[in-house]
Amino acid sequence: QKEVEQNSGPLSVPEGAIASLNCTYSDRGSQSFFWYRQYSGKSPELIMFIYSNGDKEDGRFTAQLNKASQYVSLLIRDSQPSDSATYLCAVSNNAGNMLTFGGGTRLMVKP
Amino acid sequence: NAGVMQNPRHLVRRRGQEARLRCSPMKGHSHVYWYRQLPEEGLKFMVYLQKENIIDESGMPKERFSAEFPKEGPSILRIQQVVRGDSAAYFCASSPGLAWVRSTDTQYFGPGTRLTVL
Repeated sequence: QKEVEQNSGPLSVPEGAIASLNCTYSDRGSQSFFWYRQYSGKSPELIMFIYSNGDKEDGRFTAQLNKASQYVSLLIRDSQPSDSATYLCAVSNNAGNMLTFGGGTRLMVKP
Repeated sequence: NAGVMQNPRHLVRRRGQEARLRCSPMKGHSHVYWYRQLPEEGLKFMVYLQKENIIDESGMPKERFSAEFPKEGPSILRIQQVVRGDSAAYFCASSPGLAWVRSTDTQYFGPGTRLTVL
């Protein structure tokens, strides 16, 4: 059983739409949650982190965390073609010394 | 640029040779993590180090792989007697340090070293 699960996609949305990316995790004791963006052939780039239940907004990005449901999501408003990439959900273990990554969701924003 | 630095960016080795990958953390960061990304697969944790100490190597293969983070100089990931299956992108990340459920455990990634074994 995978510890962090994401739909591999591709998720295709038109330019200007809201893209919704979802992630579930199995370790109920996980405390820290991260979203990274990875363009093809590049390294992961941190977009957001969230620790508390609820929403956290940063520009066009909103992270949502529901610990009871073991669910974390990323919303991208006003999607742009430059947002086309693979989005990686990562969960920090209890000791905080290891990130477990999901397989990533490939997002395609069509002009 | 005070980001995480890795070198070389690309490394080609023949089977049986040794590969040495280097990582310099961001300025002010004392924690280094190594991850491996196999083609078309996700990122997998390998090892977590602080200066002169290996804290967690639960993701490291038991043989041929080793890592260090000396008092002076970069962290080194060493792969002895490479095989074709070692071909992957190896990413280093760094963080300021552990403070549970605080931003200081956020990891920032370097550009990676892409290892090709012929």
